[in-house]
Amino acid sequence: EDKVVQSPLSLVVHEGDTVTLNCSYEVTNFRSLLWYKQEKKAPTFLFMLTSSGIEKKSGRLSSILDKKELFSILNITATQTGDSAVYLCAVEEAAGNKLTFGGGTRVLVKP
Amino acid sequence: DSGVTQTPKHLITATGQRVTLRCSPRSGDLSVYWYQQSLDQGLQFLIQYYNGEERAKGNILERFSAQQFPDLHSELNLSSLELGDSALYFCASSSGGGRIENTEAFFGQGTRLTVV
Repeated sequence: EDKVVQSPLSLVVHEGDTVTLNCSYEVTNFRSLLWYKQEKKAPTFLFMLTSSGIEKKSGRLSSILDKKELFSILNITATQTGDSAVYLCAVEEAAGNKLTFGGGTRVLVKP
Repeated sequence: DSGVTQTPKHLITATGQRVTLRCSPRSGDLSVYWYQQSLDQGLQFLIQYYNGEERAKGNILERFSAQQFPDLHSELNLSSLELGDSALYFCASSSGGGRIENTEAFFGQGTRLTVV
């Protein structure tokens, strides 16, 4: 059975700190890994990763995939209170367009 | 605003009842995905429709069903509701050939279902 595990479950940091979120997966036919940010209700898309070792960057957020070790990390530098959210990792398998989500990491950034 | 519209926003219903959740995808998007988010299980993929046809199935219970209509809006039907069905139900849409990674998935604001 496909499995996506995120760690930590939650973390609390102060503004300006850097956070690193982890996502490990076991998927039969990997196609891509996606990161989402969920604040109040609907998750918003952050990154999609398909190739190993290539970092994707958007402002203070960056993510990288390691297909050999089956994990991805999401980094947030110089955190702000607006970064407080649940960050979701999802893995898509090649057959059937199935998405498997991790349980999410809750990030709280204190002023 | 993602362009994906879900109705209703909130729904409270009794156990054993049946409800229908509605999703209008972004203009031009052919794929609609349904997700369930409950507190203890995170975001669970339920089912995907592409241009009116079922494309992929996830952890969808037999009591649940969905369809996509010719105008591409979709409905998720939940029947014989149980307390454990209380959750946020999200709909997402994407364009192109139904592969979520090619076009990004845009999520609606969700429907909160409370079963009492």
